[in-house]
Amino acid sequence: EAGVAQSPRYKIIEKRQSVAFWCNPISGHATLYWYQQILGQGPKLLIQFQNNGVVDDSQLPKDRFSAERLKGVDSTLKIQPAKLEDSAVYLCASSFSAGDTDTQYFGPGTRLTVL
Amino acid sequence: KQEVTQIPAALSVPEGENLVLNCSFTDSAIYNLQWFRQDPGKGLTSLLLIQSSQREQTSGRLNASLDKSSGRSTLYIAASQPGDSATYLCAVKVKNAGNMLTFGGGTRLMVKP
Repeated sequence: EAGVAQSPRYKIIEKRQSVAFWCNPISGHATLYWYQQILGQGPKLLIQFQNNGVVDDSQLPKDRFSAERLKGVDSTLKIQPAKLEDSAVYLCASSFSAGDTDTQYFGPGTRLTVL
Repeated sequence: KQEVTQIPAALSVPEGENLVLNCSFTDSAIYNLQWFRQDPGKGLTSLLLIQSSQREQTSGRLNASLDKSSGRSTLYIAASQPGDSATYLCAVKVKNAGNMLTFGGGTRLMVKP
């Protein structure tokens, strides 16, 4: 069974530029999560989708971050414009559903460096 | 709001030592607690998952315990090896919260040969 795929694996941009990350969840998984992991910290949930609808985006900085999952499968996370403090690893995870018994499976992450 | 704390933040031990990593959480209404391993530049690998009704789980040289009433979990690594060097994260899942995980800050482990 293929795991969660993310691309690119690494990205270096200058501040005020835009960047987009892509995630392909495990086939059949309805729930998709984007996490931000700043160096030395644990992952923090940015947004959670159930199919193509947003369940929780309370920690997403909506002035510069946006995410979509138009067809309920792949998802894109965008930052526009990027700031230095956005340097982090962006992890995507998916689960079959959003119940307590469902396990989240994580992708390899995208490491973003903002100069 | 659930908060998860891991102590120590970093640990360096010689090969062969037994060691304990600590995780504490503020809200005892959890569904389960999970320990992950993260290698540099990589994603998260699940090591052990303890349901709220369980006291411990074991996998090879790893043993995780859970004391829900006191809000604590420990990960015990026996006979540590250089290959165990990684960051260890604990995460709790609160009941009926949409499958949300709350992570601690991690413990960065270095096992010296």
